[in-house]
Amino acid sequence: AQKITQTQPGMFVQEKEAVTLDCTYDTSDQSYGLFWYKQPSSGEMIFLIYQGSYDEQNATEGRYSLNFQKARKSANLVISASQLGDSAMYFCAMREVNTGNQFYFGTGTSLTVIP
Amino acid sequence: DAGVIQSPRHEVTEMGQEVTLRCKPISGHNSLFWYRQTMMRGLELLIYFNNNVPIDDSGMPEDRFSAKMPNASFSTLKIQPSEPRDSAVYFCASSSGQTGANVLTFGAGSRLTVL
Repeated sequence: AQKITQTQPGMFVQEKEAVTLDCTYDTSDQSYGLFWYKQPSSGEMIFLIYQGSYDEQNATEGRYSLNFQKARKSANLVISASQLGDSAMYFCAMREVNTGNQFYFGTGTSLTVIP
Repeated sequence: DAGVIQSPRHEVTEMGQEVTLRCKPISGHNSLFWYRQTMMRGLELLIYFNNNVPIDDSGMPEDRFSAKMPNASFSTLKIQPSEPRDSAVYFCASSSGQTGANVLTFGAGSRLTVL
């Protein structure tokens, strides 16, 4: 089974609008971290936001927020007030603490912001 | 902090040649990961080290690939002999600690083209 599933290969959003990028995960570990990374066309991988499995509040970092629904095992990224510079690939990732401690990445969602 | 440093940034070589990719993790980070990214297969974990010890190399494609981490500040990924299908961007990433909260920091990547 896939550890991280991103079902949206591509998304479009109008500039200044909000957009939600979906991510579901699969783990039996009680302790884990969830991450989102951005990869612009220049190729670097940029860390955006982190959510711990024991965190009760949804994580927020500026225009990024993580909609964490533990029972559904989902960790959707919400980008508010989209900007042209948000056009990029977005990867969801998970780190299991007690089972190998490695990072698992999804297949990514390509976001295009339309002016 | 200089971040994760990878070299070379770009490598073009001919089939059959040996390729060595290098990585210097962030000082103090004790986990190091090698990933390969292609359009077809996305982001694949090749191998990762904890405290210089290889923990999981199940992602290494075949015997042509080998990775070493002789000390905490240096790792190499070697391909011998190289083949055109090895053409990809190879990322090195490092992380500190072994809790879910520790962010994975990526290098800029090494773009390999095998002719």
